[in-house]
Amino acid sequence: GESVGLHLPTLSVQEGDNSIINCAYSNSASDYFIWYKQESGKGPQFIIDIRSNMDKRQGQRVTVLLNKTVKHLSLQIAATQPGDSAVYFCAENSGYALNFGKGTSLLVTP
Amino acid sequence: EPEVTQTPSHQVTQMGQEVILRCVPISNHLYFYWYRQILGQKVEFLVSFYNNEISEKSEIFDDQFSVERPDGSNFTLKIRSTKLEDSAMYFCASSPTSGRLSAYNEQFFGPGTRLTVL
Repeated sequence: GESVGLHLPTLSVQEGDNSIINCAYSNSASDYFIWYKQESGKGPQFIIDIRSNMDKRQGQRVTVLLNKTVKHLSLQIAATQPGDSAVYFCAENSGYALNFGKGTSLLVTP
Repeated sequence: EPEVTQTPSHQVTQMGQEVILRCVPISNHLYFYWYRQILGQKVEFLVSFYNNEISEKSEIFDDQFSVERPDGSNFTLKIRSTKLEDSAMYFCASSPTSGRLSAYNEQFFGPGTRLTVL
């Protein structure tokens, strides 16, 4: 069936390095995507979103890239900091619902 | 900054008991949602609610579940007869519009209620 999934379950990076978290989706009709960050014991926190009519969107230290040809989404975090350690979910907006992927755990080491 | 709040933070109940999870969405938002996250798994959509009725629900949201907006501020999720497999984090979310109407549909999540069914 249609799904949103992540390539890697865990990612470890050194403080100051750039992080790239990837996500694949299978529903070619998806037209809106969101990245959420979830810290332990907390709810998902919005990071950045993108519509399918865009290839790239930038925020503060974060960039989302969308490749509709291969149905791939990525989140880039520049100069990763210890506070970036969390689980990151990509999600697609399907009408009212958000369809979440399984999550990638990002661990930032000093 | 406005935020979604949820109570209680942790609810422990016996199997077969009814539970009500409470949420206060952001005040000017019109769309409300419940999601759940079983430990170690992804966040799963349960139901969306607009204009005092359910707009969409998932297969998880069976007859044991119901939602209500009893007043102008609260949004509740009721589980009539809890099962062991209902143990999960339950997240409430709200948004000012919906993906069907708006180009962008950021949903704001609350901190969650951890439901433990014994």
